[in-house]
Amino acid sequence: EIVMTQSPATLSVSPGERATLSCRASQSISSNLAWYQQKPGQAPRLLIYGASTRATGIPARFSGSGSGTEFTLAISSLQSEDFAVYYCQQYNNWPPRGTFGPGTKVDIK
Amino acid sequence: EVQLLESGGGLVQPEGSLRLSCAASGFTFSSYAMSWVRQAPGKGLEWVASISGGSGSTDYADSVKGRFTISRDNSKNTLFLQMNSLRAEDTAVYYCARDHFTAMVLLLDYWGQGALITVSS
Repeated sequence: EIVMTQSPATLSVSPGERATLSCRASQSISSNLAWYQQKPGQAPRLLIYGASTRATGIPARFSGSGSGTEFTLAISSLQSEDFAVYYCQQYNNWPPRGTFGPGTKVDIK
Repeated sequence: EVQLLESGGGLVQPEGSLRLSCAASGFTFSSYAMSWVRQAPGKGLEWVASISGGSGSTDYADSVKGRFTISRDNSKNTLFLQMNSLRAEDTAVYYCARDHFTAMVLLLDYWGQGALITVSS
């Protein structure tokens, strides 16, 4: 079973600054990694898939990188609407399917 | 526009049953795998069950296997989750989500707004 970990648990960032979130898989998942954003009281939204491809309608300030076991989500200049929880998820191996990381909360510094 | 709308949530007693529905629109429902993902209060996301497009193959998390049943009615563009023998630890918001593929890949590109299930006496 693949275990996904994320760091840090909480990231405090000022608006306009860059944020870098990390995700690690316990074994190689190639590039089969997605990032989701979840705001309070809302459903998750797909941001990135294939480790680096932005989903439809996602602004260019979001970028993903990595392969194998180490992945990064970068937000180049944080906007007020970007303060949220971010989850990484692998979709390479099963069982179980679609393992999520515990999330990183990005809050206002 | 893709839309997913869950219904059927509510309060249920331990060992009780409940059925969730997810009405889909804006895409060819039968062509996509669908999943249920849940989120306990204040916790992270947990995959629950999936059903493929086409053949309708199913898969379940160990935590719900034998108690929950996922199904779909392609003629009505509706996804279901029948939940039996409910436990307190099943308390969560349950999201219906569309897979990007026909197979159960778990790349979830559209999500419903969620339905809250509370299991309590």
